[in-house]
Formats: sequence, structure tokens, C-alpha cells
Amino acid sequence: DTAVSQTPKYLVTQMGNDKSIKCEQNLGHDTMYWYKQDSKKFLKIMFSYNNKELIINETVPNRFSPKSPDKAHLNLHINSLELGDSAVYFCASSRAREAFFGQGTRLTVV
Amino acid sequence: QKEVEQDPGPLSVPEGAIVSLNCTYSNSAFQYFMWYRQYSRKGPELLMYTYSSGNKEDGRFTAQVDKSSKYISLFIRDSQPSDSATYLCAMRDGSSNTGKLIFGQGTTLQVKP
Repeated sequence: DTAVSQTPKYLVTQMGNDKSIKCEQNLGHDTMYWYKQDSKKFLKIMFSYNNKELIINETVPNRFSPKSPDKAHLNLHINSLELGDSAVYFCASSRAREAFFGQGTRLTVV
Repeated sequence: QKEVEQDPGPLSVPEGAIVSLNCTYSNSAFQYFMWYRQYSRKGPELLMYTYSSGNKEDGRFTAQVDKSSKYISLFIRDSQPSDSATYLCAMRDGSSNTGKLIFGQGTTLQVKP
């Protein structure tokens, strides 16, 4: 059973397009996150939702908009994609302590 | 200066060696410390979780936290080629309820047969 699953795994798209990444967790956790990992493997938090409420919004361009329809789902929509958005995006969830990560979505903007 | 510093390596050791991975940090509010292992093209997988100072052992892995020095370590005994991966330290502010993790850059480890 996959604990945190995200789709798609790979996404190749042109500059200027709009794309979405979906995430689902079956761990019963209250909090979900989006992290971005750059080419140097540095992982940085973007957003966090607790019980569908946004609680962390780091300095992320407005083109990125998270949406949490329920506790088990957190999606990420990106408008007007730019070359610099190319990275691996990880969804994660936690209850109180450590976080569990999905397998990542490798986004390449060409 | 980054909140969490970690030498990116790469670190190459022979099979069976003891590996020591380290992170330093600057924020004294960090209370929760984690080590994640990330294989190539996979998501980070939680290896060890420690609260505050002290040691924790799990099989071949030992995590140490020295809050007075703001220094954490992960030791891997009898390293195996399957341990070849990137190891990420992560930390959390004890007073925050957001669950936000601050990561080190990760150390790439290669264990040669």
C-alpha cells in the first residue's frame, strides 16, 4: 500500500503552460506539504496544509497555487511555467513529528 | 548562512566500513532531528528520528544529537553497497506546530563492494 502517492511521476511541458500535480495520502495524517528539490538536491518547503487550512506559505511565486479538497489530498497547480520551475516536487504528510514523502514529480520545463 | 549545513560529499567508502555523516545547525529552537535516505530518483525515506539530545540506535544505524554543539550525526556500521544513497538531515522547531522541516543539502554516499 502506497502511503503518499503523487501523480504524475514525470512531467515535461513547454514554457508558459499550466500544469497540476496531485497528491494523496492514506496514512490518516492531518498535515500535508509540498517541498521542492532543486538540482543540487536541496529540499525546501513550499506550502503546508493542516485539515484543509493553509498554514505555511513560503516565499513562492503566485503562479503556484495549492488546493486541499480534503485532509487526504493536496494538489499543486502551476500557471505560466518558467524554465526555473524545473525541479522535483515532493508531497509529504505528517501527524505530529516526522514527515513521510511521496516518490516525487520530476518537472521539466522546456 | 544556511540554517542547516551538511557536507554534500561525495563520500566513498569500502564495504564494511563505518560511515559517519554529520550536520551542524544554527537555530537553537530545533528540537526534533531526522535522517532521511534518498535513493536516486526516489522520495526521501525516514531512517531515524530523535527528540532533543542523546543517542538512538536501530540496527546498523545510530543517530546522535549534541544540542550544546548544535551538531548531529548518523553512524552506519558494516556499510553495504545497498547503503549507497544521499542522506539528508532534517530538523524542526520544537515550538512550532506547523511541522516545517529544514533540510541539509544531503551527503551522497557510495559504498564500494
